[in-house]
Amino acid sequence: AQSVAQPEDQVNVAEGNPLTVKCTYSVSGNPYLFWYVQYPNRGLQFLLKYITGDNLVKGSYGFEAEFNKSQTSFHLKKPSALVSDSALYFCAVRDPTSGTYKYIFGTGTRLKVLA
Amino acid sequence: GAVVSQHPSRVICKSGTSVKIECRSLDFQATTMFWYRQFPKKSLMLMATSNEGSKATYEQGVEKDKFLINHASLTLSTLTVTSAHPEDSSFYICSAPWRDRRDSPLHFGNGTRLTVT
Repeated sequence: AQSVAQPEDQVNVAEGNPLTVKCTYSVSGNPYLFWYVQYPNRGLQFLLKYITGDNLVKGSYGFEAEFNKSQTSFHLKKPSALVSDSALYFCAVRDPTSGTYKYIFGTGTRLKVLA
Repeated sequence: GAVVSQHPSRVICKSGTSVKIECRSLDFQATTMFWYRQFPKKSLMLMATSNEGSKATYEQGVEKDKFLINHASLTLSTLTVTSAHPEDSSFYICSAPWRDRRDSPLHFGNGTRLTVT
């Protein structure tokens, strides 16, 4: 069965430091992978996706993510964190071979950037 | 970019009444929309997949008679919580893929905070 794991419930990082939010997945075949961010009382916003090609993908707000097939991971990164990056981050996967458009979301990681 | 509009943003209703939540795709057509429920501990639960012109597909454990979904046009899906009870209080979010393609990201509404008293 498809699944996504975000092993960290919360990540704290000092402003200006690099940040990493972890995501691992379990999908048969080649997955489509996504990161979303959610600010309080709002819907989710799309950050970036990996479909094929370069393992390092760049997205909105200076975020990037690295696809690692051997480790089945898709960690979200940013070289220098901002206080405004504090939010809830979700990793999601779609199995492109399935007959459904359903996305599987991780449980979310709360990022707190400290000034 | 693609915009999904969701209304109302907040609603308070009395136990036993019904509440309708609307989800509109403003600048694209959405043959499929997804309805999620988000719990206080933050996890997202897919409730159902709304399909334009046909019946919604509900996830296991979601009561279809309680959470009525209608997708009458390519730009509008509605979720009606019937005979609401306090345990239905939650944050409900709709979403739609911008294009009818498997690599398309989801675009989300801003959610509806439902409080049942």
